[in-house]
Amino acid sequence: NAGVMQNPRHLVRRRGQEARLRCSPMKGHSHVYWYRQLPEEGLKFMVYLQKENIIDESGMPKERFSAEFPKEGPSILRIQQVVRGDSAAYFCASSPGRGRVNTEAFFGQGTRLTVV
Amino acid sequence: DQQVKQNSPSLSVQEGRISILNCDYTNSMFDYFLWYKKYPAEGPTFLISISSIKDKNEDGRFTVFLNKSAKHLSLHIVPSQPGDSAVYFCAAIDNDMRFGAGTRLTVKP
Repeated sequence: NAGVMQNPRHLVRRRGQEARLRCSPMKGHSHVYWYRQLPEEGLKFMVYLQKENIIDESGMPKERFSAEFPKEGPSILRIQQVVRGDSAAYFCASSPGRGRVNTEAFFGQGTRLTVV
Repeated sequence: DQQVKQNSPSLSVQEGRISILNCDYTNSMFDYFLWYKKYPAEGPTFLISISSIKDKNEDGRFTVFLNKSAKHLSLHIVPSQPGDSAVYFCAAIDNDMRFGAGTRLTVKP
């Protein structure tokens, strides 16, 4: 039973390019969370998605950032026109549900984005 | 809007002693709390959790205490081991899962 898979593990982009980060949740999980960890900081919530629906995107910057979780395929976090400040580790977590006893989200190993 | 706070960025303890990591929250609607452990260059891994209907949950060397009236939870590790050195995040679930900023624990041999 594969865990949460994120790819690529490392991504280098020049300023102004687009970054696409992929997250395949654990089998049977329909809830996906994206978090960003800036250097020397904790995990910051970005967006929470279920299949084909964005449930909460309150942590996502209003511009340049978007996320989707299609019916088929991985969840995608897309950053357009990247800037140096976007350099961070981006973690995806999946869970079978939310707010239920014994529900723990499982994390992927993250994608480290470096903008040069 | 920091709903989950870990006010100590770092903690250093001697091997064999108790480690106590603290977490405060502001949202009274949180009904489930978790602790995650994170090593460098890896994703967080689940450690232990507690439902809001309980005040204590124990799993081996790890115990989580919840004080709902104070909106405070803590993770106790006893005895601490060098392999416990990592960043520990507390998280709380309402509609979403929110994390604290983390506490870096260093256990010295």
